[in-house]
Amino acid sequence: DAKTTQPNSMESNEEEPVHLPCNHSTISGTDYIHWYRQLPSQGPEYVIHGLTSNVNNRMASLAIAEDRKSSTLILHRATLRDAAVYYCILRGSGGSNYKLTFGKGTLLTVNP
Amino acid sequence: NAGVTQTPKFQVLKTGQSMTLQCAQDMNHEYMSWYRQDPGMGLRLIHYSVGAGITDQGEVPNGYNVSRSTTEDFPLRLLSAAPSQTSVYFCASSRNRESNQPQHFGDGTRLSIL
Repeated sequence: DAKTTQPNSMESNEEEPVHLPCNHSTISGTDYIHWYRQLPSQGPEYVIHGLTSNVNNRMASLAIAEDRKSSTLILHRATLRDAAVYYCILRGSGGSNYKLTFGKGTLLTVNP
Repeated sequence: NAGVTQTPKFQVLKTGQSMTLQCAQDMNHEYMSWYRQDPGMGLRLIHYSVGAGITDQGEVPNGYNVSRSTTEDFPLRLLSAAPSQTSVYFCASSRNRESNQPQHFGDGTRLSIL
C-alpha cells in the first residue's frame, strides 16, 4: 500500500475553517484517496473520498493536487464535534484493496 | 437506520474462556470485516468476507474464527481468550470490496481478558 504522511496534531478555533493536509507522493494512478475520522470512544467514520477531481459533501471538501501527490481535507466551519483523529488513506484496485490501512492520523483539537 | 450494530459494547473475560462478538448490518452490504484497535497500533484487519459463505484471513487472524451464513451477520469468535486479545474490536461493512466504496463502522466492542 502506498504510504501517507499527516501532521501528528493540529489546532483550530470553533467556526473557523480547517485545512488538514496529507502527502502521498507514491500514489498510483488507480488509488482512491479516502478520509475517515474517529471521535473519542467511537468507531471510525467515513468522511469523503476522491480520485482526481475535488469533491464536496455535507461534511467536508477534498482538494486534490493536480499531480495527486497531496490532498487537503477542508472543514469549512469547525465545531467542537469535529474534534477527532483524522485519517488519510489510499485504496488501490486489486491486491490488498480489501482493507483500510490506518496510520496514526492527525489529532484535531477545536477550541471554543 | 441502524447501520452496523455491534454487541456487546463491553465484555470482561477470563483467560481460556470463549465468546462471540456479534456484528449485524441492515444495508445489504456484501463486504464485511473485523478490525482490532490497540494503543499506538492503529486498526488491524482480523478477518473479512466478500459475501455469504465466503471468508478470508486478514493481518492478525490467529485466535479468531468467523463465519458468514447470512448477508446481514458476521460474528467473530474468540476460541480461547488470551490477555493479548484485550482490545477494542470494530466491525465494518461496505457495498462491495471495490476501492471507491466507503466503509461503515460499528461503535465497537471493548474487550478485556483477565
